[in-house]
Amino acid sequence: GAGVSQTPSNKVTEKGKYVELRCDPISGHTALYWYRQSLGQGPEFLIYFQGTGAADDSGLPNDRFFAVRPEGSVSTLKIQRTERGDSAVYLCASSSQGAYGYTFGSGTRLTVV
Amino acid sequence: QKEVEQNSGPLSVPEGAIASLNCTYSDRVSQSFFWYRQYSGKSPELIMSIYSNGDKEDGRFTAQLNKASQYVSLLIRDSQPSDSATYLCAVKTPGKFYFGSGTKLNVKP
Repeated sequence: GAGVSQTPSNKVTEKGKYVELRCDPISGHTALYWYRQSLGQGPEFLIYFQGTGAADDSGLPNDRFFAVRPEGSVSTLKIQRTERGDSAVYLCASSSQGAYGYTFGSGTRLTVV
Repeated sequence: QKEVEQNSGPLSVPEGAIASLNCTYSDRVSQSFFWYRQYSGKSPELIMSIYSNGDKEDGRFTAQLNKASQYVSLLIRDSQPSDSATYLCAVKTPGKFYFGSGTKLNVKP
């Protein structure tokens, strides 16, 4: 696609529920990143995929968070037993091999009530 | 200590003035440095990258890097009201970027 696509754009869920956030990167981009941004803060790294494998998942805050990229393209960020503190904008970005900067999607605003 | 530090601002400058945005980073192995602009409610967009010590100019934007001082800056010449946004400094280490919290810039007409 022309850009990084994230769905849904907004998600409201009840505390304790499970959510999935989807990212469709730019076609051909091998690297995919998930970040989380809270109000007034910069994006916080969560996980980085190179192809299908998670090259670095050191930013995932705890075992309630998990992400997959089974075919090396679309990625899903999964959050179990959501908590109010998980409320944030979840940003996905992708880049091609050898590129230095990334292109962000428009984000998913998650609100846990 | 955060990996990337920025003054949160807001930084207010009059239209036509030079806006100077600053950033320091803690990891000496960082090799690539970036400035992103983020409008309220939007995702960050890349505006400049710099990899070597010195200055890099692109239109009204100049990025400056001093690796010895672990310091990166962004100058915006002839500031316009449309430049009003939050500017995020990002530092690349293998595999991921660390972002600062951003400096909010207000350009007053």
